[in-house]
Amino acid sequence: AQSVTQLDSHVSVSEGTPVLLRCNYSSSYSPSLFWYVQHPNKGLQLLLKYTSAATLVKGINGFEAEFKKSETSFHLTKPSAHMSDAAEYFCVVTLPNTGFQKLVFGTGTRLLVSP
Amino acid sequence: EADIYQTPRYLVIGTGKKITLECSQTMGHDKMYWYQQDPGMELHLIHYSYGVNSTEKGDLSSESTVSRIRTEHFPLTLESARPSHTSQYLCASSETANIHNEQFFGPGTRLTVL
Repeated sequence: AQSVTQLDSHVSVSEGTPVLLRCNYSSSYSPSLFWYVQHPNKGLQLLLKYTSAATLVKGINGFEAEFKKSETSFHLTKPSAHMSDAAEYFCVVTLPNTGFQKLVFGTGTRLLVSP
Repeated sequence: EADIYQTPRYLVIGTGKKITLECSQTMGHDKMYWYQQDPGMELHLIHYSYGVNSTEKGDLSSESTVSRIRTEHFPLTLESARPSHTSQYLCASSETANIHNEQFFGPGTRLTVL
């Protein structure tokens, strides 16, 4: 079975400083991993995805994540935070090529960005 | 433009009312999903569908029901709403050809039952 652990429920940064949102996963097989962002009163938007190609994945809005199999991690980073990045971020794991694949969501990390 | 829509966005109703939350997608996706999300919490799958006339229960037990008569439409119904149903409901869709199961989400319906 797959599972995801988001290590921080809240992360606070100042505008212009780096962002690090941590995610560890557990999976018996090679997983697919996603980061979704949810702004207040909005649905989820896909930021980026890892699908067993390049281990460093670039997404939208300057975000990127690195898949590290040895550490079972998929941390999300951004060099410089913007006020508009304030939102809830979900790390998600699934198994590809296994028929119906459920998405397994982490509990989310709320990113707070101060001026 | 291909997209996924949910109506209403917000709904406040009294206990005992029957409600239907609408979800439509214009992407031609065969798979559709309903998730329930309480404030500050993760998403829990409550229903999914492989295609027309296919519906399945998800991981989280729910008193709601769904139907899939048309590919693009996946409504969720509560026959008798109760305060415990207060939550946000998110609809999503994906295509079988996408082996990584990337799902596209609607904006959600925030339901409050008084």
